Amino acid sequence: SAVISQKPSRDICQRGTSLTIQCQVDSQVTMMFWYRQQPGQSLTLIATANQGSEATYESGFVIDKFPISRPNLTFSTLTVSNMSPEDSSIYLCSVENRYGNGYNEQFFGPGTRLTVL
Amino acid sequence: EDQVTQSPEALRLQEGESSSLNCSYTVSGLRGLFWYRQDPGKGPEFLFTLYSAGEEKEKERLKATLTKKESFLHITAPKPEDSATYLCAVQASSGTYKYIFGTGTRLKVLA
Repeated sequence: SAVISQKPSRDICQRGTSLTIQCQVDSQVTMMFWYRQQPGQSLTLIATANQGSEATYESGFVIDKFPISRPNLTFSTLTVSNMSPEDSSIYLCSVENRYGNGYNEQFFGPGTRLTVL
Repeated sequence: EDQVTQSPEALRLQEGESSSLNCSYTVSGLRGLFWYRQDPGKGPEFLFTLYSAGEEKEKERLKATLTKKESFLHITAPKPEDSATYLCAVQASSGTYKYIFGTGTRLKVLA
């Protein structure tokens, strides 16, 4: 299994500011993802972080609002830009290991709890 | 549209009272079905992956089964430490291999 850390673990931010969340993995992984989990709701995929190229965003999420970087196979950042109270949520980084036999596993970081005032 | 529905939303059990959680899904070709446990304030913890109908996986008091339309997570003789939210997700075999999550079942086991 992969060990994933996220920074910060939580933050309280003012409306209109931006926050960058870091995700570090203890091993090289092919697939890295960013999710949002709003209170009492399921996980929603924001984007797939692609190493060396632009992230692939899901419907409803755009690069200007959620810019993502992935400079190497163990690290990624998600920025939440021009924040509003509706962005208050838990943001989760995840990685997927895909094995040659078709077996795959997805592991999650501890999450970043963001509150926007 | 690919979709995952979990039931019940919440479940309270006495310690030792076995039960099952349900995950119904519709997906355009199933690559895998995943079960996770999530404790408050933490990220989901991977439990099982199931790939084909009839497959079963076990881990301690948990047993996951899969049919063509749904999966069950059976909890045998649960303990208070099994209290958590249990999430189900499916991954489609086409397109971007995106994971689609259900809203979870909040399990509370009373001593």
